[in-house]
Order: sequence, then structure tokens, then C-alpha cells
Amino acid sequence: SAVISQKPSRDICQRGTSLTIQCQVDSQVTMMFWYRQQPGQSLTLIATANQGSEATYESGFVIDKFPISRPNLTFSTLTVSNMSPEDSSIYLCSVYDGELFFGEGSRLTVL
Amino acid sequence: AQRVTQPEKLLSVFKGAPVELKCNYSYSGSPELFWYVQYSRQRLQLLLRHISRESIKGFTADLNKGETSFHLKKPFAQEEDSAMYYCAPLQGYQKVTFGTGTKLQVIP
Repeated sequence: SAVISQKPSRDICQRGTSLTIQCQVDSQVTMMFWYRQQPGQSLTLIATANQGSEATYESGFVIDKFPISRPNLTFSTLTVSNMSPEDSSIYLCSVYDGELFFGEGSRLTVL
Repeated sequence: AQRVTQPEKLLSVFKGAPVELKCNYSYSGSPELFWYVQYSRQRLQLLLRHISRESIKGFTADLNKGETSFHLKKPFAQEEDSAMYYCAPLQGYQKVTFGTGTKLQVIP
């Protein structure tokens, strides 16, 4: 099973700023996934991060708002750009290894 | 795209009562489906996958192609079963999406 570490675990940010969330996996994986869980809602897939190529974004999510890096097979970052209160969510990093494994999540509050 | 419907946002049952969390899917082909669970203050984790046909923590889920359902069942609810439950289809290669979720509340 994969062990995933995310940081920060939580942060409070001002409107208009950007925050980068880091995700570290203890093994090499081809794809890493970024999800968002808004308050009281289910998980929504933002994008798939592939090593060596651009991330693949789901409908409703764009690279300018959520740029993703994937410099190697164990690490990825998600940036939430130009934040507004509507971006207040838990952001989750995950990998698939026979099942989906999750990081502990990054709880973001935008004031 | 493969979609699932979880009609109940909240399901309250008494301890010892049977539990059925509903999940219906709407697509053709051979679906691959999972149930994930999130206990309070814990990470989301896999509970069941349909291909394994196993029982975990007393829960079972059978894929019913005729009814296009993958309901999660347990004959006797326990207080520790209180959690959020998500039905989740595998969409293509390694990509999992999630239903809207059902909060199970087991009343002592």
C-alpha cells in the first residue's frame, strides 16, 4: 500500500493570493490524482498528474487556476491560484495501486 | 462517463438494525465499482471492491446488473459504523470518481 504525505495540512489564506500544496508518495507511481472536497460535499477530481507530461484536467478545472507540477515519480504539487472564498476546501492527493490511497488532505480556508 | 447515484444523504438506523446504503449506476459495459468509507477525522479508505466479493467489517455489496445497483449491506449495524460512505466507479485507467455520499448514523 502507498503512504502519502501532504503539506500543509491546513492553512488560512487571503483572497487573491496563491498556495502550493505538496504531495509525497513513498513509492514510484505513474499517475497521481488531485481531488477537491468542498464543505459538506463529495470528492471531485481536479486533475491527473503524469510524470513528464502536462496534467490532464477534468471539466470545470483549468491549468491557470490549478497549475500542477510532477517533477518525478514520487512527488507532485498543486497550486490554487488567485484564491477566493469559494476555493475553501480540502484538497486531497491520491494514487491508485489496486485501490485509491489518499493523503491526509490540505484544509484550505480563504478569507 | 460512468455515473453513480446515492439517493440518501443521511441514513439513520438503530444499533443492531440492518443497514442498506443504496448505489445505482447508469452505464453499459462491465463496471468496476468500489465502496469507500470516511470515519470521523480519518482518511478516506477502501471498504469493498465488487470484483473481490468479500465481506469487510460485516459489510457486503453485490453487483446487480439487472437492477444496475451496487448496494452496501450489513445485517446488524454497530455504532462504529457511523461514517460517510461513497460509492465510486473506476473511470478508465486508474481514475476513480465518487458518488455524492451517504452519511450513516447508527443510534445507540
